Amino acid sequence: ETGVTQSPTHLIKTRGQQVTLRCSSQSGHNTVSWYQQALGQGPQFIFQYYREEENGRGNFPPRFSGLQFPNYSSELNVNALELDDSALYLCASSDPTGVLSTDTQYFGPGTRLTVL
Amino acid sequence: AQSVTQLDSHVSVSEGTPVLLRCNYSSSYSPSLFWYVQHPNKGLQLLLKYTSAATLVKGINGFEAEFKKSETSFHLTKPSAHMSDAAEYFCVVSDLGEGYKLSFGAGTTVTVRA
Repeated sequence: ETGVTQSPTHLIKTRGQQVTLRCSSQSGHNTVSWYQQALGQGPQFIFQYYREEENGRGNFPPRFSGLQFPNYSSELNVNALELDDSALYLCASSDPTGVLSTDTQYFGPGTRLTVL
Repeated sequence: AQSVTQLDSHVSVSEGTPVLLRCNYSSSYSPSLFWYVQHPNKGLQLLLKYTSAATLVKGINGFEAEFKKSETSFHLTKPSAHMSDAAEYFCVVSDLGEGYKLSFGAGTTVTVRA
């Protein structure tokens, strides 16, 4: 059973550019959640995808968008990057509707985004 | 609405002594509560989870936490700290009313002195 993987590990962009981050969920998990962790803070919920549909969103502007694919992998897209978007972006997978009906989320190692 | 308050931003202990990390929560429904650990430049690892089956929850690496509904607390303890326990610890709440979204506390940094 493979865990949650994310790519790339690190990324440097300039203000105004666009970025796409990728996440592969743990085998069998149908739900993916994305979190932003600014330096020295706890992660903040961005949004969650369940079976390719957005299933909840945190307090982030529309320039943060996402996709989930039929194999349950996911992308986070951020347009018009701002300096404050510099953070560790974490992806987590879960299976709240599965046999175990667990809401436990398992995290990937994250993508460190730096906006200059 | 759900939220978490971690009462200590930094805890320093000597190796071999007990560790106590304090957490209070707020939730509109019966919550699930978690503790995650984050080592430097690493992702988040689940230490333990409470889901109403038992108030005392045992986790990995000798950690345990006790759920006290009357005090809305979920404190994390370990009887004997090890150097490898130095990390950032997050108390997390999730409930059905928030669609299983995780709400994190601000974190507690644990340092272990030799």
